[in-house]
Amino acid sequence: GQQLNQSPQSMFIQEGEDVSMNCTSSSIFNTWLWYKQEPGEGPVLLIALYKAGELTSNGRLTAQFGITRKDSFLNISASIPSDVGIYFCAGPGSGGSNYKLTFGKGTLLTVNP
Amino acid sequence: DGGITQSPKYLFRKEGQNVTLSCEQNLNHDAMYWYRQDPGQGLRLIYYSQIVNDFQKGDIAEGYSVSREKKESFPLTVTSAQKNPTAFYLCASRDLGLQGGETQYFGPGTRLLVL
Repeated sequence: GQQLNQSPQSMFIQEGEDVSMNCTSSSIFNTWLWYKQEPGEGPVLLIALYKAGELTSNGRLTAQFGITRKDSFLNISASIPSDVGIYFCAGPGSGGSNYKLTFGKGTLLTVNP
Repeated sequence: DGGITQSPKYLFRKEGQNVTLSCEQNLNHDAMYWYRQDPGQGLRLIYYSQIVNDFQKGDIAEGYSVSREKKESFPLTVTSAQKNPTAFYLCASRDLGLQGGETQYFGPGTRLLVL
């Protein structure tokens, strides 16, 4: 089945630093989704990408859909303490059922004030 | 206020007991999903439903059951056959966006603990 490799697994940064994380898949994706999950809460959609090469921003967050359609990255600029949480990438792939998502295992972000 | 609600926030199960987790959405989404989340393992799909009165097994359906009698409701029952039910359970619903993409929105989750 499809696999998503998300890295890094965790990050410890100082407030104000920029953050970059990425996901790679074993097959082509036609959509990439990035979610943030805070402790004890459900994931919240941050950015959705629908076209190869697409670059989309949401405030201090920027995500890109890789040209090969097998990767995506998420950048956070000028991090603040409330950026703490687990960031997940996800995508449905282009083969098989288009109703299911495959998720990365997440990047745990810690921001030191 | 549109969204997905899950109840209860915390649920305790005794040995041999069946428990039911509630999921309701007022987003008018056709598809709904149940995921299980364990530390370090990400999200794993239990069941999903694309339309009313129809549902499909996900990757870890054993020990769980669902029903979809109404579009807005997709309850999950954790049966006594599920030997390791302690986890965080997340419900989601799907929006097929204008671009044809796949976007799922999540509820706040239910944490199930075994006594």
